[in-house]
Amino acid sequence: ETGVTQSPTHLIKTRGQQVTLRCSSQSGHNTVSWYQQALGQGPQFIFQYYREEENGRGNFPPRFSGLQFPNYSSELNVNALELDDSALYLCASSSTSGELQETQYFGPGTRLLVL
Amino acid sequence: DQQVKQNSPSLSVQEGRISILNCDYTNSMFDYFLWYKKYPAEGPTFLISISSIKDKNEDGRFTVFLNKSAKHLSLHIVPSQPGDSAVYFCAASEVDFGNEKLTFGTGTRLTIIP
Repeated sequence: ETGVTQSPTHLIKTRGQQVTLRCSSQSGHNTVSWYQQALGQGPQFIFQYYREEENGRGNFPPRFSGLQFPNYSSELNVNALELDDSALYLCASSSTSGELQETQYFGPGTRLLVL
Repeated sequence: DQQVKQNSPSLSVQEGRISILNCDYTNSMFDYFLWYKKYPAEGPTFLISISSIKDKNEDGRFTVFLNKSAKHLSLHIVPSQPGDSAVYFCAASEVDFGNEKLTFGTGTRLTIIP
């Protein structure tokens, strides 16, 4: 069974640039959630994708956007990067069947540094 | 507004003793709680969970206790082992069926002293 994978592992960007982070969900999982973990903080929910549609969003501005593909993999896009976007970005996959969603399993994360 | 709070940033425990990690929450709509463990350079790893209809859930060395009236939960690890040294996150969700957004605490760094 393949776990959740994320790419790249590290990334350095400058303020104002755009970035795309990628996530492959665990085998058998159809739901992907993205979280931002700033230094010294717990992960904060950005949004979730299920059946290729956004299925819930946290308190993040519209310049944070995402996609889910038919194979359930996902992308997180951030436009107009700001210094405060520097963080560890975590992807979590889970299985949603009917109305019930099972435990979320996390990938190793992408560490983004904005200069 | 921190809805899930872990007030102890760090905890040191002797190997073989019991480790107790605490978590408080303010949102009365939370009804499912989880603990995750995180090693450096890795993502959080699911440890154990508890539904609000229970007050205790046990899995091997790990037990989670939930006190709904006090809005408090705790994770007990016994006996503690050196491999348990990690950052532990408490998380909570409202079971809004089909969309379980997790709200995390800030974490407690547990160090097991050999």
